Amino acid sequence: GAVVSQHPSRVICKSGTSVKIECRSLDFQATTMFWYRQFPKKSLMLMATSNEGSKATYEQGVEKDKFLINHASLTLSTLTVTSAHPEDSSFYICSARDYVQETQYFGPGTRLLVL
Amino acid sequence: EDQVTQSPEALRLQEGESSSLNCSYTVSGLRGLFWYRQDPGKGPEFLFTLYSAGEEKEKERLKATLTKKESFLHITAPKPEDSATYLCASNTGNQFYFGTGTSLTVIP
Repeated sequence: GAVVSQHPSRVICKSGTSVKIECRSLDFQATTMFWYRQFPKKSLMLMATSNEGSKATYEQGVEKDKFLINHASLTLSTLTVTSAHPEDSSFYICSARDYVQETQYFGPGTRLLVL
Repeated sequence: EDQVTQSPEALRLQEGESSSLNCSYTVSGLRGLFWYRQDPGKGPEFLFTLYSAGEEKEKERLKATLTKKESFLHITAPKPEDSATYLCASNTGNQFYFGTGTSLTVIP
């Protein structure tokens, strides 16, 4: 199956700092990537849909100035959590859409802890 | 309203005890029904895509089937390593809808 990587896998930061998470599709081109947030023992919560070369589409209730998304190439999307606060601590997962198979492939996730 | 519902929410099986997980969907214009496996602290791992009613796919002890209203993930003679959360999702072409998952525990 297709491979999607995320970096870093874990990050601890101080409150007020910004954190960037990278999502890469390694063996296919993804015009669309998705960013999810997952709370313990809960299902995936879609935060935003990222389309290559255009602005991301954010789900209701997700602050676009807080969670900056850039999708500058067909294999890379980044999520920047700006001025992070403890309530931003969570598991963030990206996925990339393979249009040939119309399937989403997920990255391994990034565990963010804001102190 | 388009939505995907999974049941049961949690399932405990003895090793070797076969069972099925259910995914009901009410979406218009289904363009794929997906099953994923998620282990704690990891991203979902793709298992199957089903595109039309009557289609079946198998992988080791898992078999996924699809009707016009629901999909089943059959687990035959499960082993403890099959313990995970299983997610289903539907694709309408414009949007993916995820269920809340079934947490499967297989007891040795």
